Amino acid sequence: GIQVEQSPPDLILQEGANSTLRCNFSDSVNNLQWFHQNPWGQLINLFYIPSGTKQNGRLSATTVATERYSLLYISSSQTTDSGVYFCAVDAASKLTFGTGTRLQVTL
Amino acid sequence: GAVVSQHPSRVICKSGTSVKIECRSLDFQATTMFWYRQFPKQSLMLMATSNEGSKATYEQGVEKDKFLINHASLTLSTLTVTSAHPEDSSFYICSAREFGGPGETQYFGPGTRLLVL
Repeated sequence: GIQVEQSPPDLILQEGANSTLRCNFSDSVNNLQWFHQNPWGQLINLFYIPSGTKQNGRLSATTVATERYSLLYISSSQTTDSGVYFCAVDAASKLTFGTGTRLQVTL
Repeated sequence: GAVVSQHPSRVICKSGTSVKIECRSLDFQATTMFWYRQFPKQSLMLMATSNEGSKATYEQGVEKDKFLINHASLTLSTLTVTSAHPEDSSFYICSAREFGGPGETQYFGPGTRLLVL
C-alpha cells in the first residue's frame, strides 16, 4: 500500500516562530488533507489540498502532486497550535494517514 | 460546518464484555463512514469502511467478528467491540464522507477512549 512519511517527527518552537512541516507520499493520490489533532484527540480539518496552494490565516499549505509531497506552513506560532499534525492521502477512496509531526509551542 | 459526534466519549469495561460505540453525522448525510483505531503516540489506522445498507469492508488484519459494524442509516454507524480484552484498549475514531460534499473530504468525530480492565 501507499506509504506516507512526515517530517520532522517532533518539533519544539517558541511562540511567534515559523515552521514548515513536510509530508511525502509514495504514489499518486486523489486528494490530500492536513489535520490538527488537539490534546483531547479531536481531529480538525485544516486543508483539503490535492494540488496547489491554499491559505487560511496563519496557516498555508502547498501540494506538489507530481513530486509527491505537501508542505504545511505555520507562521507566528501560538501555544494553541500545539498538538499533532497529520497529513492523509486518498489513493483508493480511503485515507492513509502519515506518521505525524508532534508540535509543542512554548512561551 | 459538517459535524460528526461519537458516543460515548470514554468507556471502561471488564474483560469479556461487549461495547458499542455510536457515530452520527449531525447536519449532513453520509453514505460512507470509516472507523479508525489509534494507539498512544501513533498514527490513525483504518479498521473498516461502512456504506449505508451494505456490509462493511474490513482492512487486512482486522477481525470482522470481533469488530461488528452496522451502518443502518445515512446518519448513523455503530462499532461493537465484542468480548473485549485489554489489548483492545485504544482510541477509536469515526469519520464520515459527506454525500455530494466538496471533493472527498472526511469529517471526524471526537473519538472514544476504550479501556478494558
